[in-house]
Amino acid sequence: AQSVAQPEDQVNVAEGNPLTVKCTYSVSGNPYLFWYVQYPNRGLQFLLKYITGDNLVKGSYGFEAEFNKSQTSFHLKKPSALVSDSALYFCAVRDAGYSTLTFGKGTMLLVSP
Amino acid sequence: NAGVTQTPKFRILKIGQSMTLQCTQDMNHNYMYWYRQDPGMGLKLIYYSVGAGITDKGEVPNGYNVSRSTTEDFPLRLELAAPSQTSVYFCASSWGYPHDTQYFGPGTRLTVL
Repeated sequence: AQSVAQPEDQVNVAEGNPLTVKCTYSVSGNPYLFWYVQYPNRGLQFLLKYITGDNLVKGSYGFEAEFNKSQTSFHLKKPSALVSDSALYFCAVRDAGYSTLTFGKGTMLLVSP
Repeated sequence: NAGVTQTPKFRILKIGQSMTLQCTQDMNHNYMYWYRQDPGMGLKLIYYSVGAGITDKGEVPNGYNVSRSTTEDFPLRLELAAPSQTSVYFCASSWGYPHDTQYFGPGTRLTVL
């Protein structure tokens, strides 16, 4: 079975400060990991993914994520938050033996001016 | 290149009515998916298709049906609408695994009264 957890329903950060949105996963094989962002009344947009290779993955809009196999985590990070980063963020995982993604429940990121 | 398009954007149904949610993609993707999004619950997979003529159930298929007669189109059918089907529905497409980046449509907001 594959599963993903986003332990925080909401993350609050001030503009200009670093941000972290947490994600942990559980798979039986090798994981493929994804981050998506959803702005109000929009569909999900792809941010970045880890398939293999370098544990630090860089994606769109200055976001990055670090794959940590020993901690089964894939936290999303950004060095300096913008108010426009405020949105709902989803982590997703696919075990190498599965054909579909499992999404987390989402974390609302609120960046204050 | 329109990506993934969905119609309608909004719909109100009465209990017991039926309707079809339309989804079309112009990226020649093999895989297509239907998700529903409920507040605080993330995305749940309803059905998916790995190519024309092939469909499979996801996590929450009850009350829904799909067909895939062409690569481009993947309609979702609700036969006897129930209040529990009130949700936002997203269609997505991808090339398929292993890279599996999914591209989402703008969503259909359905209310069953």
